[in-house]
Amino acid sequence: GESVGLHLPTLSVQEGDNSIINCAYSNSASDYFIWYKQESGKGPQFIIDIRSNMDKRQGQRVTVLLNKTVKHLSLQIAATQPGDSAVYFCAENSPYNQGGKLIFGQGTELSVKP
Amino acid sequence: ETGVTQTPRHLVMGMTNKKSLKCEQHLGHNAMYWYKQSAKKPLELMFVYNFKEQTENNSVPSRFSPECPNSSHLFLHLHTLQPEDSALYLCASSPPVPNEQFFGPGTRLTVL
Repeated sequence: GESVGLHLPTLSVQEGDNSIINCAYSNSASDYFIWYKQESGKGPQFIIDIRSNMDKRQGQRVTVLLNKTVKHLSLQIAATQPGDSAVYFCAENSPYNQGGKLIFGQGTELSVKP
Repeated sequence: ETGVTQTPRHLVMGMTNKKSLKCEQHLGHNAMYWYKQSAKKPLELMFVYNFKEQTENNSVPSRFSPECPNSSHLFLHLHTLQPEDSALYLCASSPPVPNEQFFGPGTRLTVL
């Protein structure tokens, strides 16, 4: 499954499938990007980050892809599990942002069907 | 557990009450943040503190008053709130930029 955070806020996938969550960021000067996961009743938790000098970074079951040409960020989750059900936020940081301010996307709600 | 704690976790208050939210981090971070999270909306940055100095006030109404007595503690004082202020209030901290922010669990605030 694939979604664009601002236009399709809900993504439903089958357990075991791969998930792709997309994010369009706003500032071409942004040089640092983060994906957060927020489960119900909890604060956002860091998943993975990437700096603008890279176009791909892999973690455990997650991969972030950065396309600076079109200002697009994606999060790929391999073999999606029920525990992955949550809201996923992308965030960007621009060197012009004072005080480390991050700009957050709306979020995409991922629902994993068993 | 990220190392950022918030109390209380839940708060119900009337519009004439005065209450305070507390945030604490012992991660050695120099920056601390207050965010408001309403349903179906992106996180809204409210205040930023760097080295105990407020560096950002994102046009927040004066009924919200932050306080940062030291780099480990951050408070949000609440006075004469409105029902539309009901939301999840998140605290975060971070090392020098650009780096991830570590979030607390939030305080679920309901204003009656």
